[in-house]
Amino acid sequence: QSALTQPPSASGSPGQSVTISCTGTSSDVGGYNYVSWYQQHPGKAPKLMIYEVSKRPSGVPDRFSGSKSGNTASLTVSGLQAEDEADYYCSSYAGSNNFVFGTGTKVTVL
Amino acid sequence: QVRLVESGGGVVQSGRSLRVSCAASGFTFSSYAMRWVRQAPGKGLEWVAAISSDGNNEYYADSVKGRFSISRDNSKTTLFLQMNSLRAEDTAVYYCARGRGAGGNSYFDYWGQGTLVTVSS
Repeated sequence: QSALTQPPSASGSPGQSVTISCTGTSSDVGGYNYVSWYQQHPGKAPKLMIYEVSKRPSGVPDRFSGSKSGNTASLTVSGLQAEDEADYYCSSYAGSNNFVFGTGTKVTVL
Repeated sequence: QVRLVESGGGVVQSGRSLRVSCAASGFTFSSYAMRWVRQAPGKGLEWVAAISSDGNNEYYADSVKGRFSISRDNSKTTLFLQMNSLRAEDTAVYYCARGRGAGGNSYFDYWGQGTLVTVSS
């Protein structure tokens, strides 16, 4: 199972928006509405930010939103804040109890 | 509150075995599928293994199939990962995570802090 493709980096100034793409295939991202996004600060465990494409867990700011079109999912962070600087990973169910993660994107707040 | 605490990591020689554990608390452990996810130093996340809530079904990534074994003790609310025939490429932080949605296959809502396994040659 190949990793989902994400851009290595993305950046924006405070208050701006940044969108991260996550490209898979019809066997994972395109085949299921089970795309989730995780935020990871250095040395910390991943934290769930978005699940089932566009749902936000309790406690996650509404500045974070998710969407999907075909084999590509996206995470948008609006109104960037300093604490949003982190690595972000997408993931998708890939059938037969398999799971695949994205390659990861480092978000920098300029 | 939900808490997942991994332990058992360390330095092990190539070809040897190691078992890591994940102690769960704050939720009904026996009601949730669980997974192990690893992260090599400076690299991305990789799903390793999954187990159903009752422990009767196990699933593995191709990279560890035949070498790793996932298990759980619902009476002690603990998840295990037995790692045999370890290789240098198994060096990583190993996280346990709680599975949610669609039989635990949709997303991971809680993660432990991880335990580092280093395989030396």
